Amino acid sequence: GAGVSQTPSNKVTEKGKYVELRCDPISGHTALYWYRQSLGQGPEFLIYFQGTGAADDSGLPNDRFFAVRPEGSVSTLKIQRTERGDSAVYLCASSFEGHNEQFFGPGTRLTVL
Amino acid sequence: QKEVEQDPGPLSVPEGAIVSLNCTYSNSAFQYFMWYRQYSRKGPELLMYTYSSGNKEDGRFTAQVDKSSKYISLFIRDSQPSDSATYLCAMRPNTGGFKTIFGAGTRLFVKA
Repeated sequence: GAGVSQTPSNKVTEKGKYVELRCDPISGHTALYWYRQSLGQGPEFLIYFQGTGAADDSGLPNDRFFAVRPEGSVSTLKIQRTERGDSAVYLCASSFEGHNEQFFGPGTRLTVL
Repeated sequence: QKEVEQDPGPLSVPEGAIVSLNCTYSNSAFQYFMWYRQYSRKGPELLMYTYSSGNKEDGRFTAQVDKSSKYISLFIRDSQPSDSATYLCAMRPNTGGFKTIFGAGTRLFVKA
């Protein structure tokens, strides 16, 4: 079956612009996670969804970052007023509820000029 | 100090060698311990996970957890060039959600 997909694969934007990153989880997975990975670092937790609700958003760095999952499937990570420090690979993962095995997508490489 | 410390390497070994990868952590609440493999420009993929202390073996891979020392290890036997990748340790508590903390990853090169 299809794995986790993320679009776009690459996004280049200018400082101050707004961006949306999309994640399509594996069908049937109720848990969805967003991470940010900078060069030479491990993934950094941003937010975790259980169904439609954000069960833990403690990793969002500030109020410029927001994520939604309105129907409990596809999720969108939204970043307002982008800064050069936001440049990173944004990873999405999904899993069955209560399971440790998170399946990761290939990521969206965001570059803020 | 980071919650999870992992030597970034790189670690270079000849084909067939036994590889030892390690992480230390500071949060005694961590109960689930995972190892992920990440190839360049790909998402991480789960190799193994263990709950609490002990050993777990799966083919050429063995994971060990020593909670008393806050130290976890991944051993790879008969290493192959295809094992060349970045290995990430990850962990989370048993309660309080599914926030998973990752190490920085160790880059491994297995030379043919």
